Amino acid sequence: GDSVTQMEGPVTLSEEAFLTINCTYTATGYPSLFWYVQYPGEGLQLLLKATKADDKGSNKGFEATYRKETTSFHLEKGSVQVSDSAVYFCALSDNGSSNTGKLIFGQGTTLQVKP
Amino acid sequence: NAGVMQNPRHLVRRRGQEARLRCSPMKGHSHVYWYRQLPEEGLKFMVYLQKENIIDESGMPKERFSAEFPKEGPSILRIQQVVRGDSAAYFCASSPPWDHAGTEAFFGQGTRLTVV
Repeated sequence: GDSVTQMEGPVTLSEEAFLTINCTYTATGYPSLFWYVQYPGEGLQLLLKATKADDKGSNKGFEATYRKETTSFHLEKGSVQVSDSAVYFCALSDNGSSNTGKLIFGQGTTLQVKP
Repeated sequence: NAGVMQNPRHLVRRRGQEARLRCSPMKGHSHVYWYRQLPEEGLKFMVYLQKENIIDESGMPKERFSAEFPKEGPSILRIQQVVRGDSAAYFCASSPPWDHAGTEAFFGQGTRLTVV
């Protein structure tokens, strides 16, 4: 079945460092891809999304490009802030015949940014 | 427009009791999804409901768990005879009728269930 694999954390960076969190997926159809962020004790917030190959999602300085050839959707940010400390989840939804809109999540990557 | 509302935010139950978790979707949303997040893990899909219908319950445990989304009122996730392994955060998401790819889904803040 469909699955999402993220790089293991925690990832610890200094403020203003460059961030990459790797995400690869396996899907039989043509999924939409998402990054969600979860701050401590909170629910999930959609960070960005891409619905087809070569699309780039972006928000709040974060970017990710839907790469069909490498089945990847890596999250990047040029200069992280302490306030970016959170858990980041990569996810996909199957746009194929099931059409249920359910999401399949990776295991999450904890980012800790130090001043 | 209020977001997805879940209550309670925190719920403590003794082993063997019942837990009822409520989710009110965003206004105009007719699709509700329940996910479970075990400690240190990602979210796992449990069930997808539309008004008065269970569409996909492939992620629901076979026993003790049930879900409903009545014509009026919130969606309810019910766990009977809870055990310690049910301790987790339970998240609800809702999306509008035209969204079949999850691209317009919004999440609630979750209910954190602790079984003692």
